[in-house]
Amino acid sequence: QEKVQQSPESLIVPEGAMSSLNCTFSNSASQSIWWYQQHPGKGPEALISIFSNGNKKEGRLTVYLNRASLHVSLHIRDSQPSDSAVYLCAVSMRGNMGYKLTFGTGTSLLVDP
Amino acid sequence: AQTIHQWPVAEIKAVGSPLSLGCTIKGKSSPNLYWYWQATGGTLQQLFYSITVGQVESVVQLNLSASRPKDDQFILSTEKLLLSHSGFYLCAWSLHSSYEQYFGPGTRLTVL
Repeated sequence: QEKVQQSPESLIVPEGAMSSLNCTFSNSASQSIWWYQQHPGKGPEALISIFSNGNKKEGRLTVYLNRASLHVSLHIRDSQPSDSAVYLCAVSMRGNMGYKLTFGTGTSLLVDP
Repeated sequence: AQTIHQWPVAEIKAVGSPLSLGCTIKGKSSPNLYWYWQATGGTLQQLFYSITVGQVESVVQLNLSASRPKDDQFILSTEKLLLSHSGFYLCAWSLHSSYEQYFGPGTRLTVL
């Protein structure tokens, strides 16, 4: 059973600052790691994914994956009040009928204007 | 464009009563379909997934069942609700099980 832990639980940053979110997972055989954004009362939306060790950049988002330390991080440059939401890390693992996504507990981000 | 619709938007039900939640995906043939449950303040947990009509795999046992009667429809149900069934139920789809999952708007269930 894959375990996904996220830290911090909550984060407050001023507008324009960098937001850094962390995620650790338990199985090095996991496939892609996804970051999702969820606003209150809504379904999550995928932001970015990574499969290979190293980093991947998309717009203001950068994700770093280190499989040896089972760690992935998400960095949001120039954070905006509209970025305020819960961020979910999700790890994809192959199951009996395809891939299963296991989600972390989330980091609640508040960007202070 | 693909759209995902869930019904109802919200339900308040009594303990011991039956439940049926629905999900429909339009604009995509043969999607992989998923049911998730999120307790208030809790982690999003995958309950079921289906790669084709008539085939559903259970991931977590919560005294719930799921069926896929049509290519674009996924149903979550139980004959007897428990208090612990309260929460937010989300349906999702993907082109392939390793690809991005697209979530619906969710159904808020309150069991009293």
